[in-house]
Amino acid sequence: RKEVEQDPGPFNVPEGATVAFNCTYSNSASQSFFWYRQDCRKEPKLLMSVYSSGNEDGRFTAQLNRASQYISLLIRDSKLSDSATYLCVVTHGGGNNRKLIWGLGTSLAVNP
Amino acid sequence: DTAVSQTPKYLVTQMGNDKSIKCEQNLGHDTMYWYKQDSKKFLKIMFSYNNKELIINETVPNRFSPKSPDKAHLNLHINSLELGDSAVYFCASSQGRTSSTDTQYFGPGTRLTVL
Repeated sequence: RKEVEQDPGPFNVPEGATVAFNCTYSNSASQSFFWYRQDCRKEPKLLMSVYSSGNEDGRFTAQLNRASQYISLLIRDSKLSDSATYLCVVTHGGGNNRKLIWGLGTSLAVNP
Repeated sequence: DTAVSQTPKYLVTQMGNDKSIKCEQNLGHDTMYWYKQDSKKFLKIMFSYNNKELIINETVPNRFSPKSPDKAHLNLHINSLELGDSAVYFCASSQGRTSSTDTQYFGPGTRLTVL
């Protein structure tokens, strides 16, 4: 089992739709969680960190479920510009044992 | 102002050659990283340096050697290039290495093609 798993998609949704992605992780000692966005042929950019209590930034909501070991990203009122690959990142350990594990990403295409 | 810059942006070279990729960040961050993203889009961390000290060294061939002359620079030297080294290499930096400062800022990437 991979340490961090994502459904690669692609998710094809119409403009205005609500779409949700999950990302599961295997290490229960994981400490911090992030969602990054990567556009085609571009570098990844931080979308949002994921806090224990869940957090929202405009149309985007991130949740953490430690019991079931997954994080989620909900996008409401999808825009064409949301089309991208969404990568989750999980970290654990510290110092020289610190690990950053990236998911393979979930591809989203928002259609007019 | 470019926060994390890499040179060159594109690199096409023959098998067996030695090449270097340079990375610089002007964010004042303490930690820098090298990632490899292959044709399947899998982003894999290769190395991480904190204040010029190697802190993450994943299983990569020893043909890859990072060098950090100061905390604002992390260069990647690759010896005896192989076809399988073809990928996009991203440099990144973060303020520190604790969970509260883990946000990474990426450079634009260097697309390496080995012929």
